Amino acid sequence: SQELEQSPQSLIVQEGKNLTINCTSSKTLYGLYWYKQKYGEGLIFLMMLQKGGEEKSHEKITAKLDEKKQQSSLHITASQPSHAGIYLCGAEGRSGGGADGLTFGKGTHLIIQP
Amino acid sequence: NAGVMQNPRHLVRRRGQEARLRCSPMKGHSHVYWYRQLPEEGLKFMVYLQKENIIDESGMPKERFSAEFPKEGPSILRIQQVVRGDSAAYFCASSQGDSGNTIYFGEGSWLTVV
Repeated sequence: SQELEQSPQSLIVQEGKNLTINCTSSKTLYGLYWYKQKYGEGLIFLMMLQKGGEEKSHEKITAKLDEKKQQSSLHITASQPSHAGIYLCGAEGRSGGGADGLTFGKGTHLIIQP
Repeated sequence: NAGVMQNPRHLVRRRGQEARLRCSPMKGHSHVYWYRQLPEEGLKFMVYLQKENIIDESGMPKERFSAEFPKEGPSILRIQQVVRGDSAAYFCASSQGDSGNTIYFGEGSWLTVV
């Protein structure tokens, strides 16, 4: 079965600084999802990547999928308190299609210090 | 366009009682997924359903847990004879089903067994 390793497990960053979260897969990624979860709340969809080398941005958040499709990174520029939360990467199994559901990493807890 | 709707948001049950969690997918979505998030653990896939069909239930505990997605009405996750270890956040997600279609999550149902 596919396993996703996220690093770091937790991260404390001063407001205004940049940060990067990584997600590494034991197998080729056919669809890689990034979600954000605030404590005690649901998952908010951020971005989905499918193609090797693909990069997407939304506001101050950029996600990339490497050419080999086994690693993704999430980069936040000029962090703000609203970025605090748990960031989860999730991957489609096999050839995608949702048949396996998504496999998730354990998450990265991000704290923004004012 | 309403998102994935889950209810109840919070549920308290005594040991041995039954818990029923409901999920209405996003409009136009015919695929539903249930996930469980235990304290200190990641998000784990439980079951994947289409209307009137269970596609993949490989993540469901063998006993006491069942799920359905009837032709009419919401998807229901049912837990019989709950035990303290069932206390968790249960998330429902939906999609249009094909690979590359975004999977959206609900706000979750927090079950506490006392």
